[in-house]
Amino acid sequence: GDSVTQMEGPVTLSEEAFLTINCTYTATGYPSLFWYVQYPGEGLQLLLKATKADDKGSNKGFEATYRKETTSFHLEKGSVQVSDSAVYFCAPGFQKLVFGTGTRLLVSP
Amino acid sequence: NAGVMQNPRHLVRRRGQEARLRCSPMKGHSHVYWYRQLPEEGLKFMVYLQKENIIDESGMPKERFSAEFPKEGPSILRIQQVVRGDSAAYFCASSSTGGDGELFFGEGSRLTVL
Repeated sequence: GDSVTQMEGPVTLSEEAFLTINCTYTATGYPSLFWYVQYPGEGLQLLLKATKADDKGSNKGFEATYRKETTSFHLEKGSVQVSDSAVYFCAPGFQKLVFGTGTRLLVSP
Repeated sequence: NAGVMQNPRHLVRRRGQEARLRCSPMKGHSHVYWYRQLPEEGLKFMVYLQKENIIDESGMPKERFSAEFPKEGPSILRIQQVVRGDSAAYFCASSSTGGDGELFFGEGSRLTVL
């Protein structure tokens, strides 16, 4: 079945540092790929998505590129802010989204 | 435009009692998903429903758990004879298209079993 592997957290960074959160997946076929973000005490919100190979999703300074050859969808941001502190979930989707364990990001001033 | 509404937000039950969690999807959405999040863990898929139909229940425990999405009214996740291990946050999400469309999440219902 579909599955996803994310790098373990927490990822601890200083403000303005570069962020990479790795995500790889296994799936039959070519699903759409999503990154969701969860702030404390809240539900998940869509951060960005890509629907086909080589597509780049972007939002709020975050980017991720759909890499079919490596089945990856790594999340990046050039300069993180304290307000980016949250848990980030990678999810390939077919009929249902399959979420990874999430990666907690902690950004200090 | 109201988002996905879940209630109750917090629910406390004693072992052996029943828990009922409700989810009203976004207006116009006919696809509902339930996920469970244990403390410090990711989201585990439980069940996917459309109006009056269960499409995929591969993540539902075989006993004590059931879900429905009637023609009228909210989707209900029902847990009978709760045990301490059922303590978790239960998230509902809805979409307009199913398949690989974007999911819109509620804020979750946090169940505590004493």
